Amino acid sequence: DAGVTQSPTHLIKTRGQQVTLRCSPKSGHDTVSWYQQALGQGPQFIFQYYEEEERQRGNFPDRFSGHQFPNYSSELNVNALLLGDSALYLCASSRRLQETQYFGPGTRLLVL
Amino acid sequence: AQKITQTQPGMFVQEKEAVTLDCTYDTSDPSYGLFWYKQPSSGEMIFLIYQGSYDQQNATEGRYSLNFQKARKSANLVISASQLGDSAMYFCAMREAPHTGGFKTIFGAGTRLFVKA
Repeated sequence: DAGVTQSPTHLIKTRGQQVTLRCSPKSGHDTVSWYQQALGQGPQFIFQYYEEEERQRGNFPDRFSGHQFPNYSSELNVNALLLGDSALYLCASSRRLQETQYFGPGTRLLVL
Repeated sequence: AQKITQTQPGMFVQEKEAVTLDCTYDTSDPSYGLFWYKQPSSGEMIFLIYQGSYDQQNATEGRYSLNFQKARKSANLVISASQLGDSAMYFCAMREAPHTGGFKTIFGAGTRLFVKA
């Protein structure tokens, strides 16, 4: 039973560029949430997708956008990258909206 | 506003002893869920234990138990018989009931646990 997978594992970008991160949920899960974790801090909620719609959003600018596909996988897009976007980006999936979330290994993004 | 507070940046425990990691929360929603996750240096968040706001009994999962005191808004994690592999960051998190068809989960700042041999 495959867990949550994320790609790529590491990524280096320069300021102003755009990036796309990908997430495949755990088998049987249909809800995907994205988090940003800066070094030394707890994860910060970005947004949540269910039935291909954004259902909840944290306090992140519109530069952060996402998508969920019919197979429940999801993408996180960040435009006009800033140095402060450097972080570990975690994807979590759950079965329906209210059940326990399970996390993927994360994507480490470095913006230079 | 919803808030999770973990006041212990770092904790030391001797191998085979028990340790309590503190967590307090603040919410006005009567329905919520509380979680503890472990994050080793590899970065992956590992689910440990869950407590629902309406659960009458404290949750337990193997060596992990959650000391839930609703009136005090605390949800402390107790790890019994600590092992060297328990050395990691531990995060307390709270999920509120859906309001707009989805829910947010907020995390505390974490506690780094060091288990000494």
